[in-house]
Amino acid sequence: RKEVEQDPGPFNVPEGATVAFNCTYSNSASQSFFWYRQDCRKEPKLLMSVYSSGNEDGRFTAQLNRASQYISLLIRDSKLSDSATYLCVVPSQDSGYALNFGKGTSLLVTP
Amino acid sequence: GAVVSQHPSRVICKSGTSVKIECRSLDFQATTMFWYRQFPKKSLMLMATSNEGSKATYEQGVEKDKFLINHASLTLSTLTVTSAHPEDSSFYICSALGSTSGPDTQYFGPGTRLTVL
Repeated sequence: RKEVEQDPGPFNVPEGATVAFNCTYSNSASQSFFWYRQDCRKEPKLLMSVYSSGNEDGRFTAQLNRASQYISLLIRDSKLSDSATYLCVVPSQDSGYALNFGKGTSLLVTP
Repeated sequence: GAVVSQHPSRVICKSGTSVKIECRSLDFQATTMFWYRQFPKKSLMLMATSNEGSKATYEQGVEKDKFLINHASLTLSTLTVTSAHPEDSSFYICSALGSTSGPDTQYFGPGTRLTVL
């Protein structure tokens, strides 16, 4: 299994919809997980950190299932500005604090 | 807080020249910084881990003699792409390990887009 695998996407959803992204990881020892957002030709920006079973921040909810080594990101009431690539990120098994990035899931929210 | 800058943001150079990219943590000290590379429509790939005052640790397949890393202070790491070739054209992003939002949160610089002609 690759270290981090994500839904391939792209996801095209209308404004106001709820959309969920899934991510599986291979490092069972990981204690922290992250969702980053990356806009086209820009650097990734931290969206959410997950250290326990989940985290919620406004319209965004991340859930963690350690038994299945699975993380999800739920976006409610999608906005046009949510259009971006969402990266699932898990600390590397081999490189200290270095991060392993998933390939990202592209989201396009349409009017 | 937790701002990381990179310079230059974009560089175009001829094949065979060397390019230096700077990564600075502006409002915090970072003993550890990371250098990533991202090719179009691909995920970020870690190139090396840069530790202040010691040699960088390179990932498998990354040539340490081609990608020189110097982390001489707690707020600055530099990546020098020596004798750049067109296949080195990529988006280079640094990150700095900070503790503002958690023990292992990384803050990314805005990236440097390198184009080698």
